[in-house]
Amino acid sequence: DAKTTQPPSMDCAEGRAANLPCNHSTISGNEYVYWYRQIHSQGPQYIIHGLKNNETNEMASLIITEDRKSSTLILPHATLRDTAVYYCILAGNEKLTFGTGTRLTIIP
Amino acid sequence: DAGITQSPRHKVTETGTPVTLRCHQTENHRYMYWYRQDPGHGLRLIHYSYGVKDTDKGEVSDGYSVSRSKTEDFLLTLESATSSQTSVYFCAISESYTLAKNIQYFGAGTRLSVL
Repeated sequence: DAKTTQPPSMDCAEGRAANLPCNHSTISGNEYVYWYRQIHSQGPQYIIHGLKNNETNEMASLIITEDRKSSTLILPHATLRDTAVYYCILAGNEKLTFGTGTRLTIIP
Repeated sequence: DAGITQSPRHKVTETGTPVTLRCHQTENHRYMYWYRQDPGHGLRLIHYSYGVKDTDKGEVSDGYSVSRSKTEDFLLTLESATSSQTSVYFCAISESYTLAKNIQYFGAGTRLSVL
């Protein structure tokens, strides 16, 4: 699977939109972009995924650039419970390869 | 945790002893996975299963074996535990294997310490 690059940490004010970037410049045509998060001491939690179109669900929005070399996860109204490590993952087969993610801290 | 139970949740053992971790699911999902998580490494896949008695290795499978005799249970065994296997172990399940829908649901984890 191609690799992803994420900033190691980010802060966001409570109530504001949190925008988490991910670079995946070597993404292959059949690879999906998946986002998971891990709240301290818990198992990872699926958030959203997409191939090339923007996606939205009850948790977040995923914006994928037209060339698919980068994407942004958007949490529209961040709460303290959104403090977690967020993983951007490229899936080209049945396996998910987790990197070290972005540690997002929501500031009251 | 999507009907996934890992047991035990915590275990302390000594070097050289065998250890078995259990993952039990009530979702009837076909695919099951074992990961380990260590500081600075994220989650790394140990083994996975794509059906009863069908398993394959992940990226860090040395020193581990798995078995799946029933759809609902996936066992991870450390035949002779070493201190390097001290870690947090997560089990995951997924209903689909396809790229479009490989959504994995994770258990709460097992914290293993090998002294």
